[in-house]
Amino acid sequence: DAKTTQPTSMDCAEGRAANLPCNHSTISGNEYVYWYRQIHSQGPQYIIHGLKNNETNEMASLIITEDRKSSTLILPHATLRDTAVYYCIVRSFPGSRLTFGEGTQLTVNP
Amino acid sequence: NAGVTQTPKFRVLKTGQSMTLLCAQDMNHEYMYWYRQDPGMGLRLIHYSVGEGTTAKGEVPDGYNVSRLKKQNFLLGLESAAPSQTSVYFCASSYSTGPGGSYEQYFGPGTRLTVT
Repeated sequence: DAKTTQPTSMDCAEGRAANLPCNHSTISGNEYVYWYRQIHSQGPQYIIHGLKNNETNEMASLIITEDRKSSTLILPHATLRDTAVYYCIVRSFPGSRLTFGEGTQLTVNP
Repeated sequence: NAGVTQTPKFRVLKTGQSMTLLCAQDMNHEYMYWYRQDPGMGLRLIHYSVGEGTTAKGEVPDGYNVSRLKKQNFLLGLESAAPSQTSVYFCASSYSTGPGGSYEQYFGPGTRLTVT
């Protein structure tokens, strides 16, 4: 599975959009981009995934560049409860493992 | 639905003792996983199972054994605990396929294990 690069930490004001970037320049054609988050001491939580089209669900939007070498997770109206570590993961086969890097610590400030 | 549950939530062991961590899921998922998370680090896969009666090694399998005798349960065993196994252990489960050929993993709340 392709390696990902994320910033170590980011801050966002409550109510504003949080934009979390992820680089995956070695991604191959059959690899999906997944986002999970982990709120302190809890198990990771699935957020969203995509292959090449932009995706949106009730939690977030995922924007994947046309060359698929990078993506951005967007939380449209961040709340204090969105403070967490966000993991960008790239993987191919659906039944395969999730490889977690160190993720981005997002802190939403009041 | 309870989702994914883990037993126990906390445990302290002495070096050399053994224990079993239990993971249970009520979502009829085929795949189940055990991860460990050390302070300040991401999760690392220990073992996983793609179906009842089958198991496979993950990234860091040494010192652990697993069993999947029933589809809904996945057991993680430590035969002789070592301080290096002090960690938070997370279990997860998932379907084998999903829309668009992909799916998400559902995680349990974790077991905090300290080995002294």
